[in-house]
Amino acid sequence: GENVEQHPSTLSVQEGDSAVIKCTYSDSASNYFPWYKQELGKGPQLIIDIRSNVGEKKDQRIAVTLNKTAKHFSLHITETQPEDSAVYFCAASRAGGSYIPTFGRGTSLIVHP
Amino acid sequence: DGGITQSPKYLFRKEGQNVTLSCEQNLNHDAMYWYRQDPGQGLRLIYYSQIVNDFQKGDIAEGYSVSREKKESFPLTVTSAQKNPTAFYLCASLSGSTTYGYTFGSGTRLTVV
Repeated sequence: GENVEQHPSTLSVQEGDSAVIKCTYSDSASNYFPWYKQELGKGPQLIIDIRSNVGEKKDQRIAVTLNKTAKHFSLHITETQPEDSAVYFCAASRAGGSYIPTFGRGTSLIVHP
Repeated sequence: DGGITQSPKYLFRKEGQNVTLSCEQNLNHDAMYWYRQDPGQGLRLIYYSQIVNDFQKGDIAEGYSVSREKKESFPLTVTSAQKNPTAFYLCASLSGSTTYGYTFGSGTRLTVV
C-alpha cells in the first residue's frame, strides 16, 4: 500500500519568512496530491492540490511542487502571516475508483509575529 | 451554503455506553468517510461509504459501526467495545467528479468520563 512521510513535524518561522513542508510517497501509481490546513479545534480544509501531470501549481502565497521521479511533493508558503499558523497535512492517492488517500502525519506551523 | 455538519461538537461518554455521532451533508456527494484523529497520529480511517446502503471498513473499524440509509447522512456509533474512544472524530465527503479533495466537517470531540 501507499506510505506517505511528512517532514518536519514542527516548523517555527518569523512573520514574513517562507515555510516549506515536504512529503514523500511510495506508490508510483498515486496521481493526486492534496494539502489540507487544520486550525485548532476545526476540521481540515483543502487549500491546494496537484495532479501528476503538473509539476507546480500556485495560488497567491501558496504553491505546491511535485517531483514524480523522486516521488516527493512540497508545500511552499511565502510571506507567512500569523493566521497561517495551523497543522498542515499532505496526502497521496489515485484519483477515481475507491479513492482512499493516505495522509502524512501533519506539520505544526507556528508563525511568530 | 453547502457543507458538512457534525454534531454534537463535544460529547461525553460513560464507560459501557454506546454513543452516536451525527454527520450530515448537503453537497450531494456520493462518498462519505469517518476518520479518527489522535495527537501526533494524523488521520486514521474508520469506515467509508461510496453509495447508499453500502459501507466498507477502514483501518481501525473495531468497536465502531455505521449506517448509510440516506445519501445525506452517515452516522457513526462508538460502541462499548471500543476501549479507547477518547479522540477527535472527523467526517468527510467527496464529490469525485469535480474534485478529488475531501470536504471535512468541523469535528466531534469525544471524551470518556
